[in-house]
Amino acid sequence: GAVVSQHPSRVICKSGTSVKIECRSLDFQATTMFWYRQFPKKSLMLMATSNEGSKATYEQGVEKDKFLINHASLTLSTLTVTSAHPEDSSFYICSASPSGAPNEQFFGPGTRLTVL
Amino acid sequence: KQEVTQIPAALSVPEGENLVLNCSFTDSAIYNLQWFRQDPGKGLTSLLLIQSSQREQTSGRLNASLDKSSGRSTLYIAASQPGDSATYLCAVRNNYQLIWGAGTKLIIKP
Repeated sequence: GAVVSQHPSRVICKSGTSVKIECRSLDFQATTMFWYRQFPKKSLMLMATSNEGSKATYEQGVEKDKFLINHASLTLSTLTVTSAHPEDSSFYICSASPSGAPNEQFFGPGTRLTVL
Repeated sequence: KQEVTQIPAALSVPEGENLVLNCSFTDSAIYNLQWFRQDPGKGLTSLLLIQSSQREQTSGRLNASLDKSSGRSTLYIAASQPGDSATYLCAVRNNYQLIWGAGTKLIIKP
């Protein structure tokens, strides 16, 4: 089956630093990738939809300057949390839709971000 | 606006019991509904996907049903095992977006 990887799986950083999370589709090309944030005991919150070669579409309430998304190739999207603060600590999950199959979505294993 | 609700939020049952998890949604205009499993601190594993034209899907001990008109889906787990302990999430698809429930945390006691 289609595999999506995320790196790193866990990251701890100091407040004020920036953190980059990578999402890769390993065996398929993904025109569209999605970034989610998950709070404890809450449902996944869609942060943004990332389309290869164009600007990401952010959901209402998500700061685009805070969460920078780049989707430079058909197999890689990155999420950079800039000037991280403790309230940014969360579980970030990406997913990817194969090109030509927008109703399919494959999920990465998630990245646990802890900001001290 | 589509809203997805899962009840109960948590469930604890003895090993071997059959159980049902519930998912309801407010807008019946969906493309499909999907059930996922999430282990603590891990990503999502897709369990079953039901297209809007289907009534149910089965995989091993799992059976998912869909009643679009009433906005409900159930996930039936037969002969539960401790390894089934996880959080189960349902999500409906509208216009290429997935709308998620908050999940049911399931604990199977040995």
